[in-house]
Amino acid sequence: ETGVTQTPRHLVMGMTNKKSLKCEQHLGHNAMYWYKQSAKKPLELMFVYSLEERVENNSVPSRFSPECPNSSHLFLHLHTLQPEDSALYLCASSQSRQAIHGYTFGSGTRLTVV
Amino acid sequence: GENVEQHPSTLSVQEGDSAVIKCTYSDSASNYFPWYKQELGKRPQLIIDIRSNVGEKKDQRIAVTLNKTAKHFSLHITETQPEDSAVYFCAASNYGQNFVFGPGTRLSVLP
Repeated sequence: ETGVTQTPRHLVMGMTNKKSLKCEQHLGHNAMYWYKQSAKKPLELMFVYSLEERVENNSVPSRFSPECPNSSHLFLHLHTLQPEDSALYLCASSQSRQAIHGYTFGSGTRLTVV
Repeated sequence: GENVEQHPSTLSVQEGDSAVIKCTYSDSASNYFPWYKQELGKRPQLIIDIRSNVGEKKDQRIAVTLNKTAKHFSLHITETQPEDSAVYFCAASNYGQNFVFGPGTRLSVLP
């Protein structure tokens, strides 16, 4: 384990469901990120939290709602998703917002919206 | 904003040969360039990075070169092995701003 744990690993949900993705890091990092990874596309930044404050929201639809209750935990709440939201959702963390040593990624949650 | 292009999108090499992946970036203020390797079904992992104050960095069979004037940087893998097969992502950032990732290169090392 690299210190960033994501659960669940796989999730299948209907368009009317509500579910949450969880990310936990034990690295003492102060910044956490949500990325969306779709086939043949660059990693898309969704949200950035630094010291538990949301510092960036990249025009993500409101059906995705992040939550960062403390510096070790990050959630992504999902509701009324669309099939095109099916993707691998990756959580990452870095020592600080400057990320001078890069990101540490979790293994991701493979989401399928049916 | 920053834009990162990456080529080729797929690359097949014979085991033992070298592989080179090239990325270009648009923002001359970018000063940190990491490379990530993502094996099938696994997380992206940082394999090497370079900062704008150096032109080349090596770590065993992996090297990265940076040309700030031309705004491009490349990953070089020598003596490739089957376990090098993965998707490789480059990224560019200016400290304090977000990483912008390239679209990835799928490397296949053929036995």
